[in-house]
Amino acid sequence: DTGVSQNPRHKITKRGQNVTFRCDPISEHNRLYWYRQTLGQGPEFLTYFQNEAQLEKSRLLSDRFSAERPKGSFSTLEIQRTEQGDSAMYLCASSKTQRLNTEAFFGQGTRLTVV
Amino acid sequence: SQQGEEDPQALSIQEGENATMNCSYKTSINNLQWYRQNSGRGLVHLILIRSNEREKHSGRLRVTLDTSKKSSSLLITASRAADTASYFCATDAEGAQKLVFGQGTRLTINP
Repeated sequence: DTGVSQNPRHKITKRGQNVTFRCDPISEHNRLYWYRQTLGQGPEFLTYFQNEAQLEKSRLLSDRFSAERPKGSFSTLEIQRTEQGDSAMYLCASSKTQRLNTEAFFGQGTRLTVV
Repeated sequence: SQQGEEDPQALSIQEGENATMNCSYKTSINNLQWYRQNSGRGLVHLILIRSNEREKHSGRLRVTLDTSKKSSSLLITASRAADTASYFCATDAEGAQKLVFGQGTRLTINP
């Protein structure tokens, strides 16, 4: 299966700890997106990359959040000094076109629980 | 912030009936997409309709788009228990470079 892969699937961490999530997009896709989703809500945009360049960041992405896509392939999302409010599903998606006129492919998500 | 607003927020129908979900949005768009999400899973793309299209079909799905009213509807015909999921509309707004999702409709199909 060459779909979008996210690791880990679940992460439980203590408040104040740092966590890092990884996303492996579909190989020929040059666009990569991160979204956050809380229970009963739709996905909220966090940031996106065109190849290795991070082109947009949401105001939701505080200074504690950082994302990278060093070689234009996989991406990581790091949350420093986690807070209980960071508990959510973190979704990664990729698409292959310059313009979003085709579908985005989503991974299964990483569910973060901060205790 | 969410661009799309789905209506209703929750819908429960009997298997075999048709399910209709609506989506309203605020800005001009390039296209509108519908996604399905099973509980605790990722989103799966269902259908994309471009701003110059008014209706599109895919199997048991029918999507309409009214750009003058900034609204779209998703119709699922002859519903099945496996259609139970949350359904989201997402807009690709002009000038934007990302999909913006609504809050979704939770659809329950009762056997």
